[in-house]
Amino acid sequence: GQNIDQPTEMTATEGAIVQINCTYQTSGFNGLFWYQQHAGEAPTFLSYNVLDGLEEKGRFSSFLSRSKGYSYLLLKELQMKDSASYLCAVRGDYKLSFGAGTTVTVRA
Amino acid sequence: GAVVSQHPSRVICKSGTSVKIECRSLDFQATTMFWYRQFPKQSLMLMATSNEGSKATYEQGVEKDKFLINHASLTLSTLTVTSAHPEDSSFYICSARESPETYNSPLHFGNGTRLTVT
Repeated sequence: GQNIDQPTEMTATEGAIVQINCTYQTSGFNGLFWYQQHAGEAPTFLSYNVLDGLEEKGRFSSFLSRSKGYSYLLLKELQMKDSASYLCAVRGDYKLSFGAGTTVTVRA
Repeated sequence: GAVVSQHPSRVICKSGTSVKIECRSLDFQATTMFWYRQFPKQSLMLMATSNEGSKATYEQGVEKDKFLINHASLTLSTLTVTSAHPEDSSFYICSARESPETYNSPLHFGNGTRLTVT
């Protein structure tokens, strides 16, 4: 089976940095995805990691350590529109499984 | 970018009736589509994998006869919730990867269908 853990909620100030951690235990590993989901909307793809290390994409970066079963999503220069749920998803042997999501609230 | 269209976005139905949800890939072909269900503040739970031209693969605990899936073409999959009950009220989301799929192909999601059964 697959077990994916991430914090339920985080709050940060506009312009700040927030790091969302994700730990996982899976049968097989074929990559880790991060998605952003605004309330009542579908998830949108943010990043993909399959090798250890940091992937940077503008204000968002994602890190993976396969040996530790650990990833994080780093959001820099936070904007109000970044308030959303962030989903960690792991592709195991057969399917993509999602964590419960971390709700990030950005305050002015 | 790849677009997945899901319809309807919201539906309210009475207990005992059936509801059909459509999922279309607008600018790409998808031999495989996925149906997820999401309860408030919970994870996306995979219900079934829809395969073009063959039977869907259901996850453990998902009733095949209750959630009918048809994937008649490379761009269309439908989910029919039969004899709906209030506990079926949820957010249903379809998704697809472009064909041919590669190991790092992200899922493209439809906008979801909010089903309320009264």
